[in-house]
Amino acid sequence: EPEVTQTPSHQVTQMGQEVILRCVPISNHLYFYWYRQILGQKVEFLVSFYNNEISEKSEIFDDQFSVERPDGSNFTLKIRSTKLEDSAMYFCASSVPGQTRTGELFFGEGSRLTVL
Amino acid sequence: GEDVEQSLFLSVREGDSSVINCTYTDSSSTYLYWYKQEPGAGLQLLTYIFSNMDMKQDQRLTVLLNKKDKHLSLRIADTQTGDSAIYFCAERNDYKLSFGAGTTVTVRA
Repeated sequence: EPEVTQTPSHQVTQMGQEVILRCVPISNHLYFYWYRQILGQKVEFLVSFYNNEISEKSEIFDDQFSVERPDGSNFTLKIRSTKLEDSAMYFCASSVPGQTRTGELFFGEGSRLTVL
Repeated sequence: GEDVEQSLFLSVREGDSSVINCTYTDSSSTYLYWYKQEPGAGLQLLTYIFSNMDMKQDQRLTVLLNKKDKHLSLRIADTQTGDSAIYFCAERNDYKLSFGAGTTVTVRA
């Protein structure tokens, strides 16, 4: 069964460093997302991406964040200068709107980011 | 706006039924979902319901939707130890989902 894959599964970084989290969405999906979950808190929407551009972003997704689809398969989240409060589990998801009619998102297993 | 609320914890005895409740605010949501998150794992879609339905049953899972009160519930019959997880309610707004904080279900022997 096709699945969303994410790398790395866990990354530890120093405050102020740049981090890139990678995702390979399901191949025929059209919408891509990043969510994050700070330990013990709600799963929060960060950004959605469609047709090679950001379709929606939340207040969390400030200038420190960027997303890119550098080739036909990868979808990346970059944090330019990490802060302690960026420590969280970051989930990538993809979906096929319309055709499936249900619109559910398919999630990867997450990348845990720890900022020291 | 979107705001999904859930109770945070539920403890249930093995073999009993679990009922997890959720309220949402966006009356234009077309689909509502239940996701399950096991420790250290990602979010797995359990079931969903279309907003024009009142009930959906899928094996041990029953979803009830009260659209007037914007209330969604998930009932798990014959709860097993493998059902111990965090359960997230989510509503669909355009092409994104908004999640509740999750209900941690603990199944005790």
